Amino acid sequence: EAGVTQFPSHSVIEKGQTVTLRCDPISGHDNLYWYRRVMGKEIKFLLHFVKESKQDESGMPNNRFLAERTGGTYSTLKVQPAELEDSGVYFCASSRLAGGLSYEQYFGPGTRLTVT
Amino acid sequence: AQKITQTQPGMFVQEKEAVTLDCTYDTSDPSYGLFWYKQPSSGEMIFLIYQGSYDQQNATEGRYSLNFQKARKSANLVISASQLGDSAMYFCAMREGDTGGFKTIFGAGTRLFVKA
Repeated sequence: EAGVTQFPSHSVIEKGQTVTLRCDPISGHDNLYWYRRVMGKEIKFLLHFVKESKQDESGMPNNRFLAERTGGTYSTLKVQPAELEDSGVYFCASSRLAGGLSYEQYFGPGTRLTVT
Repeated sequence: AQKITQTQPGMFVQEKEAVTLDCTYDTSDPSYGLFWYKQPSSGEMIFLIYQGSYDQQNATEGRYSLNFQKARKSANLVISASQLGDSAMYFCAMREGDTGGFKTIFGAGTRLFVKA
């Protein structure tokens, strides 16, 4: 079974540009999550999809961030326009279940975004 | 207020010795789950161990054990017989059952260095 994949692995863009990150969850996982780790800080939750619906987007920092999951398969996270403080590692995770507390989320390797 | 606190940015341990990575948490929810993840240099987040707030015994998974002290709100990870491959970043995380939805809250991480 293939794991969660993310593309690209690294992205370097200039302030004001647009970047789109992609996440492919494990096949059959209805739940998809985006997280972000800014340099040296904790990993923070951004949002949670159940299939194509946004279940919780309380962690999205502002309206420059747009996440989509058309068709309930892969997801994209677009940052437009990018700012310096958006630099960090963006993780995607997926899970089959999302009820209870002990379900396991499977993480991708992350996309390292650098805004210059 | 920070919900997960990892006070050790970096730790060194000699190969074959045991090491304890500290984690304290803050929640008023009586139902919660605590997790530890390992992030090697390749970037992926690997689930290590889970402890539920109502679990009577400390969780163990191979060389990993979780020293759960509920009254002190601590969930330290103990790695026995350290191996060179244990060198990685370690994140403590929590989910709150009644109030937290499905998001996972992470600490800032502890980087572990295992010396030969």
